[in-house]
Amino acid sequence: AQSVTQPDIHITVSEGASLELRCNYSYGATPYLFWYVQSPGQGLQLLLKYFSGDTLVQGIKGFEAEFKRSQSSFNLRKPSVHWSDAAEYFCAVGDPTGNQFYFGTGTSLTVIP
Amino acid sequence: GAGVSQSPSNKVTEKGKDVELRCDPISGHTALYWYRQSLGQGLEFLIYFQGNSAPDKSGLPSDRFSAERTGGSVSTLTIQRTQQEDSAVYLCASRRQGNTGELFFGEGSRLTVL
Repeated sequence: AQSVTQPDIHITVSEGASLELRCNYSYGATPYLFWYVQSPGQGLQLLLKYFSGDTLVQGIKGFEAEFKRSQSSFNLRKPSVHWSDAAEYFCAVGDPTGNQFYFGTGTSLTVIP
Repeated sequence: GAGVSQSPSNKVTEKGKDVELRCDPISGHTALYWYRQSLGQGLEFLIYFQGNSAPDKSGLPSDRFSAERTGGSVSTLTIQRTQQEDSAVYLCASRRQGNTGELFFGEGSRLTVL
């Protein structure tokens, strides 16, 4: 069965430090991969997506993610975190053969001064 | 409209009452999804529409929940005889035609059942 795992429920980083949020998936083929961000009281906003091609994808707000097929991972990174990055981050897998999407349980990011 | 619009943004109701939540997707988006997000939880899939039909209703938690979509546009999620455990944020998302493309989310309807 398809699944998405975000092993870190909560992460705290200092402003200016680097960030990596982990995402692992279980899927029979190469899925479509997404990272979304949710600020308090808001809906989900797309940060970046991977469908095919270059395995390192760039997104908005200085985020990037790397698809590693051998590890079934799609980790999100940012070299220098800003206080405004504090939010909930969701990894998602889309089924290329259909229309279903599977979301991880999210990682809550706190940024300290 | 420019984005996915949901109403009401907040709804407080008494246990046992029926509620309707509305979603107006991005114009031209043929696929529409409903998710439920309980406090501190991830997204729970409820139902998906392609046009006006719902190929996948597998996520509806009970027969108190139903949804419809008319004219390939606006969708309504109805919860009958609400229970306290129905309290959550209900998120709607839409997607353009085809098997590629991301979901675009509305800001959600926060339901509180007293």
